[in-house]
Amino acid sequence: TQLLEQSPQFLSIQEGENLTVYCNSSSVFSSLQWYRQEPGEGPVLLVTVVTGGEVKKLKRLTFQFGDARKDSSLHITAAQPGDTGLYLCAGASETSGSRLTFGEGTQLTVNP
Amino acid sequence: GAGVSQSPRYKVAKRGRDVALRCDSISGHVTLYWYRQTLGQGSEVLTYSQSDAQRDKSGRPSGRFSAERPERSVSTLKIQRTEQGDSAVYLCASSLGYNSGANVLTFGAGSRLTVL
Repeated sequence: TQLLEQSPQFLSIQEGENLTVYCNSSSVFSSLQWYRQEPGEGPVLLVTVVTGGEVKKLKRLTFQFGDARKDSSLHITAAQPGDTGLYLCAGASETSGSRLTFGEGTQLTVNP
Repeated sequence: GAGVSQSPRYKVAKRGRDVALRCDSISGHVTLYWYRQTLGQGSEVLTYSQSDAQRDKSGRPSGRFSAERPERSVSTLKIQRTEQGDSAVYLCASSLGYNSGANVLTFGAGSRLTVL
């Protein structure tokens, strides 16, 4: 069974601060996705990374896939209250297809 | 439709009762998943189906969970003899295909089940 460990589980910061969320596994993933989920809604895809060492930027968000494709990180620069939400990493293996293994999630609160 | 729709959004059930949750996925999407999301345990896949399979492949060891897909874009998750531990948000998600991990999953807003 593939597991994804996400940390921290909870994060409360002030507006303007930077933060990093980590997603780690002992398994290799063929791709890894990051989702953001708001209360009462389903997760919404932010990015997909597929190549070891890949870095993708989405405005103030920077996503990195580890060289060995076992870990990933999400870095947010100058966080804003609108960034508040549940951030989920999810990985797919060669054999699982689009069936994803999710991390436990990081609940981020950005205070004004 | 434009997105994945789930109903009911909220369901309260007495322990031991059966529950059915509905998902209307995106037309043309082949694969459909049911995930269970709980605080502290994250999201785990319960069952999924590919193409027109009416019977879903269960990812859970318990036989109390099953899903049927009477139409390509409709799925019903059935939970038999509900237990308090079944209280969770049940998310439906669909994708265009199955074979690629890069396929985008589109999620519904979820059905929150509370078992008393």
